[in-house]
Amino acid sequence: AQKVTQAQTEISVVEKEDVTLDCVYETRDTTYYLFWYKQPPSGELVFLIRRNSFDEQNEISGRYSWNFQKSTSSFNFTITASQVVDSAVYFCALSESPGGGADGLTFGKGTHLIIQP
Amino acid sequence: NAGVTQTPKFQVLKTGQSMTLQCAQDMNHNSMYWYRQDPGMGLRLIYYSASEGTTDKGEVPNGYNVSRLNKREFSLRLESAAPSQTSVYFCASIPRPLKLAGGPTDTQYFGPGTRLTVL
Repeated sequence: AQKVTQAQTEISVVEKEDVTLDCVYETRDTTYYLFWYKQPPSGELVFLIRRNSFDEQNEISGRYSWNFQKSTSSFNFTITASQVVDSAVYFCALSESPGGGADGLTFGKGTHLIIQP
Repeated sequence: NAGVTQTPKFQVLKTGQSMTLQCAQDMNHNSMYWYRQDPGMGLRLIYYSASEGTTDKGEVPNGYNVSRLNKREFSLRLESAAPSQTSVYFCASIPRPLKLAGGPTDTQYFGPGTRLTVL
């Protein structure tokens, strides 16, 4: 069975601080796929990144970066120089099939990130 | 190109009433999904349709039925609504056939959600 744990229920930081959102996963498969989604206050789900288990390179996109470590089953997300617009709930998700799989994504419970001005 | 659309956006039902949530995508996607989101629970899969004409149960299918009417549309029906079905419902779709979905942007794309309250 798959499981995704986001231990941080809520994080509050002051604007311009760096913040890291933790994600730990469990799966029996040797090939799997990890995702991050953002849910702003408006409620829609915005895809941020997908990472395949066989690709352990870290990813950087502007102020966002992701650290994938198979040894610790973690896929952490860091926002550098946070901005108020980054305030949202962030979900980590896992699938054993590409693209979210035949049986869907397994989501963590989300981390509510609050960026204070 | 509207992406994934859902109707209605909001709905209030009384216990025992029935209703159908509609989902449509205009991106020629093959696979479609229904999730529910409850406070502090993340999203959980209700049903999915890997291709037109097929549907399968997800993690929490009880109390729901689905219909994959055609490639564009995937509806979710509550036959007899219960307060436990109060939730936000999301529809999603994936661009390519699953066996080809290996690219970095191959993921599920979500609709805006339907907020359902059952009294």
